[in-house]
Amino acid sequence: KNQVEQSPQSLIILEGKNCTLQCNYTVSPFSNLRWYKQDTGRGPVSLTIMTFSENTKSNGRYTATLDADTKQSSLHITASQLSDSASYICVVSAEAGGTSYGKLTFGQGTILTVHP
Amino acid sequence: SAVISQKPSRDICQRGTSLTIQCQVDSQVTMMFWYRQQPGQSLTLIATANQGSEATYESGFVIDKFPISRPNLTFSTLTVSNMSPEDSSIYLCSVTTGGKFEAFFGQGTRLTVV
Repeated sequence: KNQVEQSPQSLIILEGKNCTLQCNYTVSPFSNLRWYKQDTGRGPVSLTIMTFSENTKSNGRYTATLDADTKQSSLHITASQLSDSASYICVVSAEAGGTSYGKLTFGQGTILTVHP
Repeated sequence: SAVISQKPSRDICQRGTSLTIQCQVDSQVTMMFWYRQQPGQSLTLIATANQGSEATYESGFVIDKFPISRPNLTFSTLTVSNMSPEDSSIYLCSVTTGGKFEAFFGQGTRLTVV
C-alpha cells in the first residue's frame, strides 16, 4: 500500500532559527515528490517538486532534498519567520500507467509554529 | 500556474440538508479533483471530475452522497448530500497543469454540520 509518513507531527521553533522536516514514502512506482505549505484556512500551495533524478531543489528559504534510494525527503527552512507557521505536507505522485496522471499520496503534515 | 476560486469559503449547515461547492479555474484544465480534509488529517481524494462524463469516485465515496458536475473545462461543483455531523470537514478543489502535472488547490470550503 502506498504511504507517506512525516515527522515530526508538530514543531515549535523561535523566529530566525532553522528547522528540518522529514518525509518517508513507500509509493511505487515513484514519479515525483512535492512539498506543500498549507496556511490555516487555506488550500495547500506548492513549494517544490522533484523527480527521481533531482536530489535537491530550493525555493527561497526552503530547500528540499530527495534520496530516491532510501525513499526519504527532507524540507529545510532557513532563518524562519513568523509567516512560516503552517502545515507542511509531503505529497508523492505515483508514475502513471495507461493514464497521463499518477495518483497523489499525501502525508499527514507537520504543523510548524514559529514564535517571536 | 492556475488560479482557483472556490466558494463558499465556509458554511454551517443543518443535518439532512445539502450544500453545493463551486470551483472556478482561470484557465482550461483537463483534470479537476475534489478532496476532503478532515480535522488533523491528510487530504483524501473523493473523485476526479471528468468533463462531459460522470465523475470517477474513489473507494468509500459514492455519487449519491457526493454528486459532481463538470459542465466545461473551467468549472466544477461538488454537492454534499443529506449531510450529517461526520461530513464536517474541509473540501478542496484541485487541478493539475504542466508537464509535471503540478497540482494547484483552491482555498477550501470549511463545512460544519450541526
